[in-house]
Amino acid sequence: GNSVTQMEGPVTLSEEAFLTINCTYTATGYPSLFWYVQYPGEGLQLLLKATKADDKGSNKGFEATYRKETTSFHLEKGSVQVSDSAVYFCALSLTGGGNKLTFGTGTQLKVEL
Amino acid sequence: DARVTQTPRHKVTEMGQEVTMRCQPILGHNTVFWYRQTMMQGLELLAYFRNRAPLDDSGMPKDRFSAEMPDATLATLKIQPSEPRDSAVYFCASGLDRGYEQYFGPGTRLTVT
Repeated sequence: GNSVTQMEGPVTLSEEAFLTINCTYTATGYPSLFWYVQYPGEGLQLLLKATKADDKGSNKGFEATYRKETTSFHLEKGSVQVSDSAVYFCALSLTGGGNKLTFGTGTQLKVEL
Repeated sequence: DARVTQTPRHKVTEMGQEVTMRCQPILGHNTVFWYRQTMMQGLELLAYFRNRAPLDDSGMPKDRFSAEMPDATLATLKIQPSEPRDSAVYFCASGLDRGYEQYFGPGTRLTVT
C-alpha cells in the first residue's frame, strides 16, 4: 500500500538554526509529493510540492527535493524563525488518484529565541 | 480570498446527543474530504466525495457516523449517538480532482462529555 513516514517530533531549534525534517514514502505508483503546514488553531495549508523525480519544491524559504532513488522528500530551511513553529505534514498523491492524499503523522517544530 | 468554511467552530455536547458539522467548500471545487485529528491517532481520513458522490468512507465508523453532500455548496458530517471517544478536531477540505491541492477549513473542535 501507500504510506508516508516522518521523523518524530517535537523538533526544538533556536532561531536561525538549520532545519531538516525527514520524510520517506512507499507508493505503488508514481506519486506527487507535498509538504503541508498546520499553524496552531488552524487547518493544514500547502507549503510546497513536487510532481516528478528531481523536482525541487520551494516556498517561504523552505525547500524539498523529490528523490526517487531514496524515496525521500526531506524538508529543509536554512534559517528558521519563531513564526515557523507549527506541525509539518508530508503527503503523497498518486497519478490517477485525483487529489486524495496520504499523510504522514506530522512533525511538530518549536523554534525558540 | 476563497476559503472553506466550517460551522460550528466549537461544540461541546453530552454523550448520546446528535452532532452535526457543516462545511461549505470553495465554489467550483468538486472534491470534499472529511478528516478527524487527535493527538493519539493523528490525521485520519473519514470520507471523500467527488462531484457530491461518496467515493471512500472506509475510515468512518458506519454505525454512528454519516456524511452527505445535499448540494454542491454543503457537506455535512453527523454523529449519532456521540461518544467521548469522538472528541477531536474535524476538518473539511475541498479541491479539484485534477489538481493537487486540498484547501482545509479551520476545523470544528468537538468535545463529548
